[in-house]
Order: sequence, then C-alpha cells, then structure tokens
Amino acid sequence: GENVEQHPSTLSVQEGDSAVIKCTYSDSASNYFPWYKQELGKRPQLIIDIRSNVGEKKDQRIAVTLNKTAKHFSLHITETQPEDSAVYFCAAVGWGQNFVFGPGTRLSVLP
Amino acid sequence: EAEVAQSPRYKITEKSQAVAFWCDPISGHATLYWYRQILGQGPELLVQFQDESVVDDSQLPKDRFSAERLKGVDSTLKIQPAELGDSAMYLCASSLGARTENTGELFFGEGSRLTVL
Repeated sequence: GENVEQHPSTLSVQEGDSAVIKCTYSDSASNYFPWYKQELGKRPQLIIDIRSNVGEKKDQRIAVTLNKTAKHFSLHITETQPEDSAVYFCAAVGWGQNFVFGPGTRLSVLP
Repeated sequence: EAEVAQSPRYKITEKSQAVAFWCDPISGHATLYWYRQILGQGPELLVQFQDESVVDDSQLPKDRFSAERLKGVDSTLKIQPAELGDSAMYLCASSLGARTENTGELFFGEGSRLTVL
C-alpha cells in the first residue's frame, strides 16, 4: 500500500521568513496530493491541493510543487505569519480515494 | 456551510467497557472515512465506506472494532472492549467520492477524543 513520509517533523521560522515542508510517496498510482492544516484542538482543514497532471499550484502565500518522477511534493509558505503556526499534514490519494497521510510537521512562526 | 457532525466530542471510559462514536457526513457525500489520530501523529485510516459498503477496513482491529453505515448516510464506530491503547482522537471525514470525476476535498468532523482509563 501507499506510504507517505514527511520532513521535517518540526520547523521553526522567524515571522516573514519562508517555510518548506517536503513529502515523498511510494505508490506511483497516486494522483491527488492535498495539504491539510490542523490548529491545536481543531479539525484538519484543506489549504491547498495538486493533481498529478500539474507541476505547481499557488494560492496567495502558499504554493505546492509536485515531482512525479521523484515521487515527492512540497508545501511552500512565504511571508510567514504567527497564524500560520499549526501542524501541517500532506496526503497522497490514489484511484480508490484512500487518503494516506504523512506524520505531520509542527510549524512554529516566531514573532 | 455544511459540516461533518460527530458525537460525542469527548468520552472517558474504563478499559473493557464499550464505547460508540457517531458521524453524520455532509449531505450528498458518498464516501465516509473513520480515522484514528494519536497525539502528535497523522490520521490513520480505520475504515472507508462508499455509500453503505465497506471499501477498505484492512487496518480496523476487527476483534474489538466494528463500523457500520447501514443506510449509506450516518455511521457508527464501536469499540468493545476498550483498551488503554485506544486512547486517541477519532476523526470522521467525508467526500463526494464516486459522485465526482476527480478525487474531491476531504472534510473532517471535529473529532471524538477518547480517553481509556
């Protein structure tokens, strides 16, 4: 089955700096790659996603890149703000719509 | 905005007791998922339903866990007997599933936090 690895497990950045989180997946059949943000005590919420026919997608300060050949994808957050502090999960999804999540990255944005 | 509803939000029980969680997905969502999230880790799939049918329950500990979605709408996850290691957040999620051509967004409920003493 699919296996998703995520790095780093924790990340601290200064407010205004950029943050990058990387994920790798094992199943070449996976075709949808969402990123979820989970604030303390709250439900995970989708922040951005990318499909396998696209290499990059951007939405204001966040962007995701996908390298299908290498089977990895990354989340990029620019101009980080304190409200970006949360745990971020990547996921890989195949045709069976089974969402396999990475272990998460705890991002802390220091003022 | 429609949300996935879960209850109870919190449950404290003693080991060997039975516990049940309920989930009502967003109306029209064909696919329903139960995930277990241990503190500090990512959600792990327990069971996936497509309408009333189980699509994947390979990670469900079937000796003590059961899940049903009898009418293809709301769902119940049961644990009997509960063990100390079952303490976790149980997240329900839903998506349009097969009713959309592409994989759609997964919407999560608030979760049910279980503490087994």
